[in-house]
Amino acid sequence: QSALTQPPSASGSPGQSVTISCTGSSSDVGGYNYVSWYQQHPGKAPKLIISEVSKRPSGVPDRFSGSKSGNTASLTVSGLQTEDEADYYCSSYAGSSIYVFGSGTEVTVV
Amino acid sequence: QVQLVQSGAGVQRPGASVKISCQASGYTFTKYSLHWVRQAPGQGLEWMGIINPSGEVTTCAQKFQDRLIMTRDTSTNTHYMELSSLTSEDTAVYYCARDGGHCESDFWGQGILVTVAS
Repeated sequence: QSALTQPPSASGSPGQSVTISCTGSSSDVGGYNYVSWYQQHPGKAPKLIISEVSKRPSGVPDRFSGSKSGNTASLTVSGLQTEDEADYYCSSYAGSSIYVFGSGTEVTVV
Repeated sequence: QVQLVQSGAGVQRPGASVKISCQASGYTFTKYSLHWVRQAPGQGLEWMGIINPSGEVTTCAQKFQDRLIMTRDTSTNTHYMELSSLTSEDTAVYYCARDGGHCESDFWGQGILVTVAS
């Protein structure tokens, strides 16, 4: 199972929006509505920010939103804040109890 | 509150095995699956495997199928992950993470660094 494809980096100014893509195949992203997104700050454990393509867990700001079209899922961070500077990973269920992560995207708030 | 507290690991010799524990609290241990995920230095997250709520079924990523064993002890609410035949490429931070029921990892352990070196 190959890693899902994410852009290595993305950036935006405070208050702007940034969108991160996560491209897989019909065997994972395109085949299931079980895409989740994680935020990871340096030296910390990942934190769930989006589940089931577009659902936000309790406590996650509504600045974070998720969507999916075909084999590509997307995470949008609106109204960028300095604390949003982190690495972001997508993950998808791939059938038969197998999961796969994306390659990760480093978001910089410039 | 849900907590996953990991222990074990440290420096291991090439060819050896490592066993990491993940003690769960704050939820019904036998109702949730648990994932194991690792992250090599400066690299991305890599899914390793999952143990189902009953503890009777485990599924590993293909690259780990020959050397990854996941178990659990319901008397202590502790999950275990044992990885054998270690090489330097297994140097990584290893995480346990609860599956929230919709294929998401909703709570994570703090991570444990395993360094494989002679």
